[in-house]
Amino acid sequence: DAGVIQSPRHEVTEMGQEVTLRCKPISGHNSLFWYRQTMMRGLELLIYFNNNVPIDDSGMPEDRFSAKMPNASFSTLKIQPSEPRDSAVYFCASSRGTPQPDTQYFGPGTRLTVL
Amino acid sequence: GENVEQHPSTLSVQEGDSAVIKCTYSDSASNYFPWYKQELGKGSQLIIDIRSNVGEKKDQRIAVTLNKTAKHFSLHITETQPEDSAVYFCAASISGANSKLTFGKGITLSVRP
Repeated sequence: DAGVIQSPRHEVTEMGQEVTLRCKPISGHNSLFWYRQTMMRGLELLIYFNNNVPIDDSGMPEDRFSAKMPNASFSTLKIQPSEPRDSAVYFCASSRGTPQPDTQYFGPGTRLTVL
Repeated sequence: GENVEQHPSTLSVQEGDSAVIKCTYSDSASNYFPWYKQELGKGSQLIIDIRSNVGEKKDQRIAVTLNKTAKHFSLHITETQPEDSAVYFCAASISGANSKLTFGKGITLSVRP
């Protein structure tokens, strides 16, 4: 298996622009997680899905952030409009989604820079 | 909600020495505690985990201990090697459908050759 795939790996954009981050989870995994990593706040959970349904979006910082999972093999995280404080590394992770806590497999991340 | 803290934020050891990284958690209902390793420019990878029904777990040079009474758990790395240099994250979770992990802020381990 190729593991969790994220694109793009790097994104540089200007304040006010729309940014879309993409994630392909491991085939057969039912849970998908979006995290944001910064030096100040560490690894923060933004939202997670189970069987394509958003379960907990309490970590989404504000309405400028939205996430979708239209099918089991694809998810997007969108920021519109982007701001410099959104600069961070965004990780997607997936797991089998069993009732017991299970290993999460992380993608390589997207490094976002908003100028 | 759960709060996970890691101390210290950085740790430097000499190659061959042991390294111990500690984490505390706040929710006594948490019962799953994984450790993830993040190498530069990569996503985090699970290296070891422990559930609350055991106090210690070992995997070659790596071990994790859990003290449920004190609500802390530790990662032990023996005979450290330069390739152990990375950021290590601890996390905690409560069993149940759709369990999510709460991560600590991470600790940067440097192994001096």
